Amino acid sequence: DAGVTQSPTHLIKTRGQQVTLRCSPKSGHDTVSWYQQALGQGPQFIFQYYEEEERQRGNFPDRFSGHQFPNYSSELNVNALLLGDSALYLCASGSGTSKETQYFGPGTRLLVL
Amino acid sequence: DAKTTQPPSMDCAEGRAANLPCNHSTISGNEYVYWYRQIHSQGPQYIIHGLKNNETNEMASLIITEDRKSSTLILPHATLRDTAVYYCIVKVSGAGSYQLTFGKGTKLSVIP
Repeated sequence: DAGVTQSPTHLIKTRGQQVTLRCSPKSGHDTVSWYQQALGQGPQFIFQYYEEEERQRGNFPDRFSGHQFPNYSSELNVNALLLGDSALYLCASGSGTSKETQYFGPGTRLLVL
Repeated sequence: DAKTTQPPSMDCAEGRAANLPCNHSTISGNEYVYWYRQIHSQGPQYIIHGLKNNETNEMASLIITEDRKSSTLILPHATLRDTAVYYCIVKVSGAGSYQLTFGKGTKLSVIP
């Protein structure tokens, strides 16, 4: 039973560029959430997708956008990258119709130069 | 969601029980206590959660005080692989609410 997978594992971009990160949820899960974790901090909630719609959003600017596909996988897009966007980006999946908890992927480490 | 307070760091001798405290004095009646841990550079790992009764699984035990204002995560026989940052999170369980609010957690160091 595959867990949550994310790609790529590492990424280097320059300021002003755009980036797309990908996540496949755990088998049987239909809800995906994205988190940003800066060095030395706890993860911060970006947004959650369920039934291909954004359901909840944290305190992040519109430069951060996402998408969920019919197979429940998800993408996180960040436009106009800033140095401060350098972080570990985590994806978590859960079930939208039960009280099951969330499971996290290994993350994508993004470095913006 | 209610906020939590945890000590920034703790040490534990290998083989001993690790007891990690968490204060959540403003917890509401429908909020659960969740524990996650994060081993260096990996994604957070779910450990356990509970509402008011004590809970135990293959990883740990969760003890919640009767007034629900604090809880303790117990790792019964800590190993070096338990060295991680442990996060205590309080939130409403169930569909529609998946936002986890992480604090800085407790960095547990298991010492040989």
